[in-house]
Formats: sequence, C-alpha cells, structure tokens
Amino acid sequence: DTEVTQTPKHLVMGMTNKKSLKCEQHMGHRAMYWYKQKAKKPPELMFVYSYEKLSINESVPSRFSPECPNSSLLNLHLHALQPEDSALYLCASSQEFPVNTEAFFGQGTRLTVV
Amino acid sequence: QQQVKQSPQSLIVQKGGISIINCAYENTAFDYFPWYQQFPGKGPALLIAIRPDVSEKKEGRFTISFNKSAKQFSLHIMDSQPGDSATYFCAASHTGNQFYFGTGTSLTVIP
Repeated sequence: DTEVTQTPKHLVMGMTNKKSLKCEQHMGHRAMYWYKQKAKKPPELMFVYSYEKLSINESVPSRFSPECPNSSLLNLHLHALQPEDSALYLCASSQEFPVNTEAFFGQGTRLTVV
Repeated sequence: QQQVKQSPQSLIVQKGGISIINCAYENTAFDYFPWYQQFPGKGPALLIAIRPDVSEKKEGRFTISFNKSAKQFSLHIMDSQPGDSATYFCAASHTGNQFYFGTGTSLTVIP
C-alpha cells in the first residue's frame, strides 16, 4: 500500500467557517507534510511533522493549524480563511525527515474560500 | 530565491517524439533528484529519481540524465504519448532539508 488518502476531495467554505482537512497513510512513514499548490505553480511547503512532532512551519498564518494525532494521521484545521487561500492542499509522507527519499503525495483537497 | 530552475515552462511534442525537460541547481549539497508527474486535479506522483553517483537512470520510456559538474539534470521521455500530457516538476533535496521544486513544465503530446 503506497497510498496517501486525503478527505474531502473538494471543500467550499465561507470566510467565517471552521473546517478540517484529513490525511492518512499506512506505509509506516514517520514524516508527514502539508503543501499548498496554486494553479500552474509548484507545491509550496507549509508544515512538516516528524515522529508526530512539528519540525517545520514555513511561516504559515495562524488561520492554518496542523495537528498530528498519531503516526498515520495528519489534520489541517482551517479558520477564518481568505479567498486567496483557495488552492489545492496536498498531504505527503516519507519514511523519515530529514528527507532524501521518495515522498508520496495524496490526491489533494481542492479548497475554495468564498 | 529559486533553488531549482526548470525549463521550458511549456512543451508541445508530436506523438512518438522525444520530450526533454531541463533543470539546474546551485546547491552542491543536493543529493536526491526526483521528477514528479502531475495530472490536473491530482497530486504529484513520483516518476523517476536519481542520486549524484550515477550519470543516467532509465525506467521504461523515462530517462534522467545527470551532469554533476554542470549542476544540471534532465528528463527525457522517449516515444511520447498523449497520455504523457501532464505537468512535470523536477525537485532536489539533501539530507537535513525539504524538497525544493522546480517551477514546472506543462507537456502536451499531440496525437
């Protein structure tokens, strides 16, 4: 099983809503990542969790709040988002962090903020 | 500062032709160079990857050529097919750090 599963696939939310994105992997990977991707752009790293601890926060606004409940699950809690936050949010995992081996990406959640 | 520079931004190739995408980097500490393929609305999927101890790696129709002295690497897609139409990202990383992605190449293979 080399799959990273993200739910939901699509999400439309208002600027005052609170929602969460979920990510799950069962490959035994100890590093999990959140990326944001705008159309026709490369993925931009947001957060890295290594062994369930936050290792990297790329100066992401506090309206994005990550959580790693266990080694298989990663959540991204969203609150008071702006329309410019609309993007494809990608979860990824790799065996370890620091990383120099394959990272597996999920299919992404297409987020639209209205 | 763009750690990995990728060209061209877009590429149109006839079916059966060779698609070539180039990437260049400056950080000599990079030691892992993957290529990702991304279809619209999907996440990136690893296509092929290389480490600097080899100059070429081939998997089916996909080949990475790596030039350590020039700090360049390229993806060659032989016998390009319409199903190869996607966006391709090169990337680089080194132990202790994250992946740095290139800016992406949109490939269109015309039947």
